[in-house]
Amino acid sequence: DSGVTQTPKHLITATGQRVTLRCSPRSGDLSVYWYQQSLDQGLQFLIQYYNGEERAKGNILERFSAQQFPDLHSELNLSSLELGDSALYFCASSVGWAGTYEQYFGPGTRLTVT
Amino acid sequence: LAKTTQPISMDSYEGQEVNITCSHNNIATNDYITWYQQFPSQGPRFIIQGYKTKVTNEVASLFIPADRKSSTLSLPRVSLSDTAVYYCLVGDPETGGFKTIFGAGTRLFVKA
Repeated sequence: DSGVTQTPKHLITATGQRVTLRCSPRSGDLSVYWYQQSLDQGLQFLIQYYNGEERAKGNILERFSAQQFPDLHSELNLSSLELGDSALYFCASSVGWAGTYEQYFGPGTRLTVT
Repeated sequence: LAKTTQPISMDSYEGQEVNITCSHNNIATNDYITWYQQFPSQGPRFIIQGYKTKVTNEVASLFIPADRKSSTLSLPRVSLSDTAVYYCLVGDPETGGFKTIFGAGTRLFVKA
């Protein structure tokens, strides 16, 4: 158990819909990262937040957005969903704003768009 | 970020030592080398991190030659449960705003 929690575990929705994925980092960690992993694909970095502020942006689509709240939990919002958005979405956390690369990953949310 | 190159896949047998090499020719002075392990449908798990020479923990060893242009993750006496994807990452842990690039990783398959 990494100490990072993600909800929900599974999500099935239709094209065009909007969903919100939630992540709670490990106690004491200020950075939260979001990743997308499609079937048999590598991990794609989406975005990083540190203590409520956006720190780095990766291959995140304009239809996706994220935020980190004062209690440090984070939410990833996915809108106008397409079939290709079906994937595992991982959240990770680390202590520092720059990161030591020792990121702790949550169990993931499996999103299925039908 | 330094680009990394790893073998796409490797096979081994239980009880053998496995060495996975990662090439990172344009590694920068402040870059560290980090390895993660990922099982199917699970998030990656940090294995080991190093800067130079050799680092060892209870799970693996990391060998880094003097020129630091490559590194080798060594898994002693692998078991079936070591079947996973192994990712090599290179970057400066003190630089803000980095983008974690995992790449395709190396798929290790351990056979009985």
